[in-house]
Amino acid sequence: TQLLEQSPQFLSIQEGENLTVYCNSSSVFSSLQWYRQEPGEGPVLLVTVVTGGEVKKLKRLTFQFGDARKDSSLHITAAQPGDTGLYLCAGENFGNEKLTFGTGTRLTIIP
Amino acid sequence: DVKVTQSSRYLVKRTGEKVFLECVQDMDHENMFWYRQDPGLGLRLIYFSYDVKMKEKGDIPEGYSVSREKKERFSLILESASTNQTSMYLCASSGGGAGNTIYFGEGSWLTVV
Repeated sequence: TQLLEQSPQFLSIQEGENLTVYCNSSSVFSSLQWYRQEPGEGPVLLVTVVTGGEVKKLKRLTFQFGDARKDSSLHITAAQPGDTGLYLCAGENFGNEKLTFGTGTRLTIIP
Repeated sequence: DVKVTQSSRYLVKRTGEKVFLECVQDMDHENMFWYRQDPGLGLRLIYFSYDVKMKEKGDIPEGYSVSREKKERFSLILESASTNQTSMYLCASSGGGAGNTIYFGEGSWLTVV
């Protein structure tokens, strides 16, 4: 079974600070997705990165796919309380559309 | 708006009961999935289906079965519920193709006592 490890597992920071969440694996993925999940809801897709080394920006969020397609990072600039939630990375396997999900990072932004 | 609807948000069942979790999507998607979510473990795939009447085991299929008689509906069945199946269950669907967006339902919280 492929594993995706996310770090940190929990992160609590003040509003306005920057943060980075990491998603690491020993496996290679065809693409990697990031989701945010709020309490009582299902995960919602934020971004998909496909090419090794790819960087995508979504307002204050920057996503990077590692050159070897085994890892990814999510950087948030000037965090806001609305960024609070569970962040999940998910790797798509070559040849099928199954996703392997990471262990999750629970982010709390303190006003 | 795309919609994946899980019929039961909260259930409490007794050990040994048969449990049905229903999921319906209105996007005409080929692919449907059932995951369970537990703290510190992320989402783990139980079963998935690429087409009507087709099913494949995911990473943790033991103790579960599924049914897909119609394209829009994917049911998860716990033949004899056990306390270690207490969890949040998430249904999802996608239209197929690499990098395709997966849409999740709101989840079903199952407690087995």
